[in-house]
Amino acid sequence: DVVMTQSPLSLPVTLGQPASISCRSSQGLLHIDGYTHLNWFQQRPGQSPRRLIHKASNRDSGVPDRFSGTGSGTDFTLEISKVEAEDVGVYYCMQGTHWPMTFGQGTRLEIK
Amino acid sequence: EVHLVESGGGLAQPGESRRLSCAASGFTFTPSGMTWYRQAPGRALEWVAYIGSSGIHYADSVTGRFSISRDNAKNSVYLQMSSLRAEDTAIYYCTRECIRASICSWGQGTLVTVSS
Repeated sequence: DVVMTQSPLSLPVTLGQPASISCRSSQGLLHIDGYTHLNWFQQRPGQSPRRLIHKASNRDSGVPDRFSGTGSGTDFTLEISKVEAEDVGVYYCMQGTHWPMTFGQGTRLEIK
Repeated sequence: EVHLVESGGGLAQPGESRRLSCAASGFTFTPSGMTWYRQAPGRALEWVAYIGSSGIHYADSVTGRFSISRDNAKNSVYLQMSSLRAEDTAIYYCTRECIRASICSWGQGTLVTVSS
């Protein structure tokens, strides 16, 4: 199975400052369909998860443009340009290229 | 508006079976890939099973014990869980796609507790 490794696991950030989360996969995530199926999910406290990014860099509908995803191969990054209070929660990367799908451990973002 | 409503959660004894249901509305159900995820208390998200154009797939942890199915006439997807273990205790979420497609919708989840 593909192992997804996130860092850091805890991320204290000052409001208005940028934040960055790294995700590395144990295998390359380029699918035979030509896409790299790396997803980023956000889970706010007490809520269901929602997806922010698909195919490594495509924002889902309704996701603010302060969220961006970059990367290819085995190294990926989720960036938040200016953290807002509503961004508090846990962020997960998930690979959708190789069955079974696998998640990273999660990164807890908190406000300093 | 897309709605996914899970049901069937509750308390189960180890070794018992339970069936979760997910009723979908607000989109064309038949061609959509449907996925079950779960989250144990205080733990990370875990993908459980998928049914759709890419076939049927299961996580290693549930292979041979869980079975995913769908009834397109009822716009519903199911997760039949058998030989339940304490480690199956989790909130189970039903989703539309959320793996490779540009579409992703989540239900509110249903809690399954496996305990004697």
